[in-house]
Amino acid sequence: EVQLVESGGGLVQPGGSLRLSCAASGFICNNYWMTWVRQAPGKGLEWVANIKEDGSQKYYMDSVKGRFTISRDNAKNSLYLQMNTLRAEDTAVYYCACGGHADYWGQGTLVTVSS
Amino acid sequence: QAVVTQEPSLTVSPGGTVTLTCGSSTGAVTSGHYAYWFQQKSGQAPSILIYDTSNKHPWTPARFSGSLLGGKAALTLSGAQPGDEADYYCLLSYNGPWVFGGGTKLTVL
Repeated sequence: EVQLVESGGGLVQPGGSLRLSCAASGFICNNYWMTWVRQAPGKGLEWVANIKEDGSQKYYMDSVKGRFTISRDNAKNSLYLQMNTLRAEDTAVYYCACGGHADYWGQGTLVTVSS
Repeated sequence: QAVVTQEPSLTVSPGGTVTLTCGSSTGAVTSGHYAYWFQQKSGQAPSILIYDTSNKHPWTPARFSGSLLGGKAALTLSGAQPGDEADYYCLLSYNGPWVFGGGTKLTVL
């Protein structure tokens, strides 16, 4: 069974930092691009960032450029998202996805940015 | 970044056919956008239905199909079932960055 499990979410004050992790099992994500997607409460899906198999290419949505960093550790079949200078509008459930076509998704981790 | 547009809501009768569309602010959607379609049911993570405009996953029900239609990506549901009631999101690739549409809330009634 393929499982992606996100962790690291929680409550953080504006301007603070969090590091999200995504651990995959039952599927080797190493051979595929991996992705972070978020969903604010009651809102639609929003793509956040992608990273190539070997980490050599990364893409970010405009509003997180310079604040978020996507990375991966293929030895651990894991994906990360370092989030700095967090804003209230970053409040969302953050999902990770992997596979040739974002085939497999985790259940998400909630990030709440509030004072 | 580009803006991707979808119908906010659509209603289909059980057994009926409905087409959801996905447009791009940059112009016509082409095969080069590798259009994806995701289904999200209430309280669940999204699940992919279609990739690369028209390709299905092994778990995609046969009643769903993807295409390009009038400069947009399209998802057609033929023979709607009550269990198909969900939010549907398209995703377009722009040579690296991705952009989701705002989603279509599909009601089967």
